[in-house]
Amino acid sequence: SQKIEQNSEALNIQEGKTATLTCNYTNYSPAYLQWYRQDPGRGPVFLLLIRENEKEKRKERLKVTFDTTLKQSLFHITASQPADSATYLCALPSSGGGGADGLTFGKGTHLIIQP
Amino acid sequence: NAGVMQNPRHLVRRRGQEARLRCSPMKGHSHVYWYRQLPEEGLKFMVYLQKENIIDESGMPKERFSAEFPKEGPSILRIQQVVRGDSAAYFCASSPTGPYQPQHFGDGTRLSIL
Repeated sequence: SQKIEQNSEALNIQEGKTATLTCNYTNYSPAYLQWYRQDPGRGPVFLLLIRENEKEKRKERLKVTFDTTLKQSLFHITASQPADSATYLCALPSSGGGGADGLTFGKGTHLIIQP
Repeated sequence: NAGVMQNPRHLVRRRGQEARLRCSPMKGHSHVYWYRQLPEEGLKFMVYLQKENIIDESGMPKERFSAEFPKEGPSILRIQQVVRGDSAAYFCASSPTGPYQPQHFGDGTRLSIL
């Protein structure tokens, strides 16, 4: 089964700087990878999906890269703000394909943006 | 457009009782997923359903847990004879038909077993 590793320690970043979070996975490379944000007491909120044939995807201040050779995805938040403080989750389809599927999640990285 | 609705938000049960968790997917979504999140643990996939069908239940405990998504009404996750170890947050998600679709999550049901 797929295993996902994310930095388990909290990441402290100064406001205005770029935050970079890492997601590493083992075993097979999936057809896509997703990033979610989760705030305390709330459900995960979808941020970005990147397919295996895409190197990079952007959405406003967010950027995701996907390196299937390294089996790694990087998630960047530029011009970070205190409101970006949350736990960020990396997720892969459990069977690895592109269709509807249960997701395997990493444990998440807790990001703290300090004013 | 209402998001995924889960109820109740909080549920307290005594050991041995039954717990029923409900999930109404987003309008137009035909795929429903249930996940469990234990304290200090990540989200764990439990089951994937479409209307009247269980597609993948590889993450469901073999005993006491069942799930359904009937033709009419919400999806139900049912836990019989609850034990202390069942205390967790249970999240439901839904997605539309088609490849490469994100999942949209509800805010979960927090189950506490006394």
